[in-house]
Amino acid sequence: GQQVMQIPQYQHVQEGEDFTTYCNSSTTLSNIQWYKQRPGGHPVFLIQLVKSGEVKKQKRLTFQFGEAKKNSSLHITATQTTDVGTYFCADNYQLIWGAGTKLIIKP
Amino acid sequence: NAGVTQTPKFQVLKTGQSMTLQCAQDMNHNSMYWYRQDPGMGLRLIYYSASEGTTDKGEVPNGYNVSRLNKREFSLRLESAAPSQTSVYFCASSEFGQGVSEAFFGQGTRLTVV
Repeated sequence: GQQVMQIPQYQHVQEGEDFTTYCNSSTTLSNIQWYKQRPGGHPVFLIQLVKSGEVKKQKRLTFQFGEAKKNSSLHITATQTTDVGTYFCADNYQLIWGAGTKLIIKP
Repeated sequence: NAGVTQTPKFQVLKTGQSMTLQCAQDMNHNSMYWYRQDPGMGLRLIYYSASEGTTDKGEVPNGYNVSRLNKREFSLRLESAAPSQTSVYFCASSEFGQGVSEAFFGQGTRLTVV
């Protein structure tokens, strides 16, 4: 079946550095949703992208949906300790989730 | 509003035991879902219910059964637990198809099968 590949699995950054996670699908996605899961918590919705080439921003977070609707990215500028967690992409229509990227802030 | 409520939060079972995970939502959503989450993996769909009265298999349905009791409640049953079912289980609900179909998740059930 269709899979959504998400990379990297982990990213270690110094506080203040940028962070990016990518989702790639071999087939066209219906939409892309992004969720954040804090350690020990449950996924919390961040945003949904539907249109080809769509870009949305939420403060320091920038979300993009590829022109072919087969890939998406989440970029965080100047990470803060509150950004720690695992970020997941999902095609909510086809109910497929990426494996997540864990953001770790180096001490 | 409570959102999505799951019980229990933690459970330890012996191999072969059965149990039912309960889930209720108070947002009047049509769609409800059961996922499992294993370390290093995303959420894998076990079963979903697009609307009251319907249920469908997801990616990993073997060893599980579900019941959509009414619009609010969607339960997941393990008839004969196996160590491979040790996982964190999440129930979720959404208003599928209505614009932004954000999924709301319960707090999770941490299940260990020994």
